[in-house]
Amino acid sequence: AQSVTQLGSHVSVSEGALVLLRCNYSSSVPPYLFWYVQYPNQGLQLLLKYTSAATLVKGINGFEAEFKKSETSFHLTKPSAHMSDAAEYFCAVSGANTGKLIFGQGTTLQVKP
Amino acid sequence: GAGVSQSPRYKVTKRGQDVALRCDPISGHVSLYWYRQALGQGPEFLTYFNYEAQQDKSGLPNDRFSAERPEGSISTLTIQRTEQRDSAMYRCASSSDRNEKLFFGSGTQLSVL
Repeated sequence: AQSVTQLGSHVSVSEGALVLLRCNYSSSVPPYLFWYVQYPNQGLQLLLKYTSAATLVKGINGFEAEFKKSETSFHLTKPSAHMSDAAEYFCAVSGANTGKLIFGQGTTLQVKP
Repeated sequence: GAGVSQSPRYKVTKRGQDVALRCDPISGHVSLYWYRQALGQGPEFLTYFNYEAQQDKSGLPNDRFSAERPEGSISTLTIQRTEQRDSAMYRCASSSDRNEKLFFGSGTQLSVL
């Protein structure tokens, strides 16, 4: 079975500051891990995906995430926040490389000018 | 079409009525997924299809929920005898193959009064 826990339902950063969104997973099999972003009134959009090829995964819009098996974590980071990054972010896990995903509860990122 | 299209965008119905939610995936996409998202939560898997075959319906909450994709393209999610607890955003996603990234629609917001 798989599960995902996102620590912090709301995160607020200043424009230009580091963004860190936390995700811990549980999986009985080697996991596939994902980060999705959801802008208001839009569908979810894939930011990045971990499939065991490399522990540091680079995604779109300057985001990246590092898979740490020892910590069962897959935190999302971006060195410098932009106003356009304000959105809701979801971490997800799958036990197989399919679209059947288990999502976390989401973290809303606020970016202050 | 350019993206995954869902209709209607909003659906308000009375308790006990049946509703049908439509999903038109990206042209040529083999796999189609239905998710449900309650307010403040992440999406929850309901069911998925490869072509017209329903591969997994383990996420459907009960037998009032059903889905079909008769010609391997458009899909309909039907909820019979709706209840207030069915109120949620219903999201559809498609992918070109089972292990490719998901493209989500904007969803149908269902409100059961």
